[in-house]
Amino acid sequence: AQSVTQLDSQVPVFEEAPVELRCNYSSSVSVYLFWYVQYPNQGLQLLLKYLSGSTLVESINGFEAEFNKSQTSFHLRKPSVHISDTAEYFCAVSDLNRDDKIIFGKGTRLHILP
Amino acid sequence: DVKVTQSSRYLVKRTGEKVFLECVQDMDHENMFWYRQDPGLGLRLIYFSYDVKMKEKGDIPEGYSVSREKKERFSLILESASTNQTSMYLCASRSQPGVVTEAFFGQGTRLTVV
Repeated sequence: AQSVTQLDSQVPVFEEAPVELRCNYSSSVSVYLFWYVQYPNQGLQLLLKYLSGSTLVESINGFEAEFNKSQTSFHLRKPSVHISDTAEYFCAVSDLNRDDKIIFGKGTRLHILP
Repeated sequence: DVKVTQSSRYLVKRTGEKVFLECVQDMDHENMFWYRQDPGLGLRLIYFSYDVKMKEKGDIPEGYSVSREKKERFSLILESASTNQTSMYLCASRSQPGVVTEAFFGQGTRLTVV
């Protein structure tokens, strides 16, 4: 079965510093990858997605993620974080050759330090 | 914009009560999902549905059932609530089987069973 591993449960980082949130998934023939963000007391919002094409995908608020098939990874990066980026981030994978389920990692809580 | 609406943000129920969590989406999506979210465990899939009157068990269906009588509505039922079902419940919808899109989430229902 498909699975997602987020290696860090919490990541503290100073404001304006770069950050990387790591995500690895179990191998599959064709896979689609997502990063969702959850701000306090809210539901999940899509941050960015890889469906096909360019392996580097970007969000409107400065995040980017790169699909690396050989490493089975989809790490999320931002060159300079802001206090408003404080949230929990979930990596997710969907394998349309199977049953349309989206499987989530356990989440990484990003703490921005002033 | 796609809207997924969960009927309650907060619920408090007593042990043994029958609990209904309602979810409605307004984009004619075929697929609907119920997840529960617990600290350190991420999102775990309870049940999902591909179409009206169709349902499939997810990873943790025990103690839950679902109903999908209309395409836009997907209900999660706790037949006899227990304290270990205290959690955040998230409903999601996705367009249709075989079409590659992300899932859209409701705001969540925080259920406390006392």
